[in-house]
Amino acid sequence: GNSVTQMEGPVTLSEEAFLTINCTYTATGYPSLFWYVQYPGEGLQLLLKATKADDKGSNKGFEATYRKETTSFHLEKGSVQVSDSAVYFCALSARTGANSKLTFGKGITLSVRP
Amino acid sequence: GAVVSQHPSWVICKSGTSVKIECRSLDFQATTMFWYRQFPKQSLMLMATSNEGSKATYEQGVEKDKFLINHASLTLSTLTVTSAHPEDSSFYICSARVQGPSDTQYFGPGTRLTVL
Repeated sequence: GNSVTQMEGPVTLSEEAFLTINCTYTATGYPSLFWYVQYPGEGLQLLLKATKADDKGSNKGFEATYRKETTSFHLEKGSVQVSDSAVYFCALSARTGANSKLTFGKGITLSVRP
Repeated sequence: GAVVSQHPSWVICKSGTSVKIECRSLDFQATTMFWYRQFPKQSLMLMATSNEGSKATYEQGVEKDKFLINHASLTLSTLTVTSAHPEDSSFYICSARVQGPSDTQYFGPGTRLTVL
């Protein structure tokens, strides 16, 4: 079946540090890949997405590239801010039918210190 | 665009009562909505898929008689937790799917349910 594996957390960084959050997936076919962010007490917000191999999703300084050869979609940001502190979820949508479902990773908590 | 709202944002109820949570797509039509449950510090668990005008499809292990889902229009789905018990206390999140090449889901802000 489909699955998403995220690196173990939590992650604590100092402001302006470089961020990488690893995500790998297993899926049949050609899934779409997503990163969602959840701020404390809130629902999930779509951060970025990529729909095919070699696509790069980007938003708010975050980037992730769809790597089919390594089945990865690692999230990166060159300089994190305190406001980036949140839980980050990697997800895929396998488009297996009319009701294609999202499969989520476990999420990773990022804390950024001033 | 693609805004999803939920109401209420939080609710406290007594054990044995029923609680209804609404999920609305504000600026688009959604033929498919999803209901998730999230436990503290954990990922989202899909409970059911809600299709406009038809019965919801429940995930394995989710009691359909306890979690009633109605998707009466293209912009509204409701989840009713019937005869709520303390173990039903959780964060319930809905999403609405925008059909297209990526089938992106947009999430509501969530509803915190506390059953006393």
